[in-house]
Amino acid sequence: AQSVTQLGSHVSVSEGALVLLRCNYSSSVPPYLFWYVQYPNQGLQLLLKYTTGATLVKGINGFEAEFKKSETSFHLTKPSAHMSDAAEYFCAVSSGDSSYKLIFGSGTRLLVRP
Amino acid sequence: DAGVIQSPRHEVTEMGQEVTLRCKPISGHNSLFWYRQTMMRGLELLIYFNNNVPIDDSGMPEDRFSAKMPNASFSTLKIQPSEPRDSAVYFCASSLDQREVAGELFFGEGSRLTVL
Repeated sequence: AQSVTQLGSHVSVSEGALVLLRCNYSSSVPPYLFWYVQYPNQGLQLLLKYTTGATLVKGINGFEAEFKKSETSFHLTKPSAHMSDAAEYFCAVSSGDSSYKLIFGSGTRLLVRP
Repeated sequence: DAGVIQSPRHEVTEMGQEVTLRCKPISGHNSLFWYRQTMMRGLELLIYFNNNVPIDDSGMPEDRFSAKMPNASFSTLKIQPSEPRDSAVYFCASSLDQREVAGELFFGEGSRLTVL
């Protein structure tokens, strides 16, 4: 069975500081990994995804994530936080066997202080 | 391009009433999903359709919940009778073909349901 753990329900950073949101997964097969972002009163939007190939994945709005198989991690980073990054971020996993099921983590709310 | 369109955006109803939520997926998308989001349980997949056919409804909580997809451009999620514990935000999402492009879901803005 697959699962996702996001460490920290809330993360607070200052504007301009590094953003690091943690995600660890459990999967018995090579996983597909995703980060989605949800702004207030909106649906989720895909930030980036890892399927195969390069383990460092770049997404929209300057975010990137690195797949580390040995650590079963897929942490999301951004070098410099902007006020507009304040949102909730969800890590998700699905198996790499054409499974439709996307399992979401519990989410991390990012707060950006001026 | 129009995204996934859900209606109503907000619904307040009384316990026991029937609730119908509607979704129009992105044109050309073959897969459609209904999710429920609550503080306690996070995002839960309720049901998944592919080419208008329900593939997996194991997430539907009870017989009070039902979903249909009569054609490629329309789906409904019905709750009858509704209960206060059904209060949540219900999201519809679509993708090109979830069997081929796993995970690239496009979400609607959600329907916030409050059952009094």
